[in-house]
Amino acid sequence: DAGITQSPRHKVTETGTPVTLRCHQTENHRYMYWYRQDPGHGLRLIHYSYGVKDTDKGEVSDGYSVSRSKTEDFLLTLESATSSQTSVYFCAISEDRGNYGYTFGSGTRLTVV
Amino acid sequence: QKEVEQNSGPLSVPEGAIASLNCTYSDRGSQSFFWYRQYSGKSPELIMFIYSNGDKEDGRFTAQLNKASQYVSLLIRDSQPSDSATYLCAVRVSGGSYIPTFGRGTSLIVHP
Repeated sequence: DAGITQSPRHKVTETGTPVTLRCHQTENHRYMYWYRQDPGHGLRLIHYSYGVKDTDKGEVSDGYSVSRSKTEDFLLTLESATSSQTSVYFCAISEDRGNYGYTFGSGTRLTVV
Repeated sequence: QKEVEQNSGPLSVPEGAIASLNCTYSDRGSQSFFWYRQYSGKSPELIMFIYSNGDKEDGRFTAQLNKASQYVSLLIRDSQPSDSATYLCAVRVSGGSYIPTFGRGTSLIVHP
């Protein structure tokens, strides 16, 4: 996807271990978002950022933390991974407050065993 | 609680037909409406968006808003097998949080 990359693309980790997912953008957009997508639930917002060091919680933020020290990078950390956090994680960006929609990254498939 | 509902489908249409996808929303203050297409195993991709002031046509795609009945439709004319995907609707209210609420998506299958 143009201007936004997520890493890693796939990850298998053990319960209780910390995991960090990275979202990197080259569009210089102010707004960045982390979503998870699960069957039957659709896309659910975890955390979002409206600027460097400015972040806020979404509807499913428990067990997750984020950091944004640079405009281009938005990190999502699972402090102690649980099986319920097995999911596909998407990062998204928007130039403004999403008036014209979001651009999504390719996603990270995370499996917690 | 803002709710956005979509029939999960699948909606099956023959090639060349018009596919009609609907999305209902609960908040009368909703102002912005977005349609995303998501192929299996891929990320959502924005198709089009409309605001509460009118419908929009873009190529084979038309988004229509029915404010009285609180639903937004996506029409795909001359459907092609390559249109087979899940279509996500997202709705945003005016003021307050600018974060949209996503529906769970409708699966569309276009068969030759």
